Amino acid sequence: SQTIHQWPATLVQPVGSPLSLECTVEGTSNPNLYWYRQAAGRGLQLLFYSVGIGQISSEVPQNLSASRPQDRQFILSSKKLLLSDSGFYLCAWSPAWGDRGLNQPQHFGDGTRLSIL
Amino acid sequence: RKEVEQDPGPFNVPEGATVAFNCTYSNSASQSFFWYRQDCRKEPKLLMSVYSSGNEDGRFTAQLNRASQYISLLIRDSKLSDSATYLCVVNMMDSSYKLIFGSGTRLLVRP
Repeated sequence: SQTIHQWPATLVQPVGSPLSLECTVEGTSNPNLYWYRQAAGRGLQLLFYSVGIGQISSEVPQNLSASRPQDRQFILSSKKLLLSDSGFYLCAWSPAWGDRGLNQPQHFGDGTRLSIL
Repeated sequence: RKEVEQDPGPFNVPEGATVAFNCTYSNSASQSFFWYRQDCRKEPKLLMSVYSSGNEDGRFTAQLNRASQYISLLIRDSKLSDSATYLCVVNMMDSSYKLIFGSGTRLLVRP
């Protein structure tokens, strides 16, 4: 069966420090990968998605970046964190296609709760 | 108009009650629909996929109304453990890889 691992679970960082969050998927190949952020009491905001190694699509302008160095590894980074980067960061994966070419549901990691001081 | 709209609630119901949530979507070409459940400070988890006119899974029934562009989730015989936020999710037709998550409807089941 497929599993998704995301770490760390919580992180407290000072303003201006760098960030690296990692996500890996097991038990599948060539998954679609996603990074979301959820502010307290708010909905999910899609930050990046990737349909293959080295292929990254950015959804919103920000000081974050994403990379996919291996098929099942997705990394979220920042060179200098801002206070507004605080939030709950979620990595998700889905198979590329399902029956009849329909979207498949996404499956989430446990999330990283990031606090910027 | 938001792409996916949900009543934020909260819906406060007694144990054993039947409760229904609606969700409207803006893109008539959308073809994939899901309901997720999110507990406080946890990740969203897939509850049900809705691919055709609707489907049932135990106490949960999801319905799709393409003409009116809404999907619904019905929960029968509510349990305390059903207390959570329920997210309506629809695919984006400008990219087949993206799903749009609604902001969620909060359900509180009281003893």
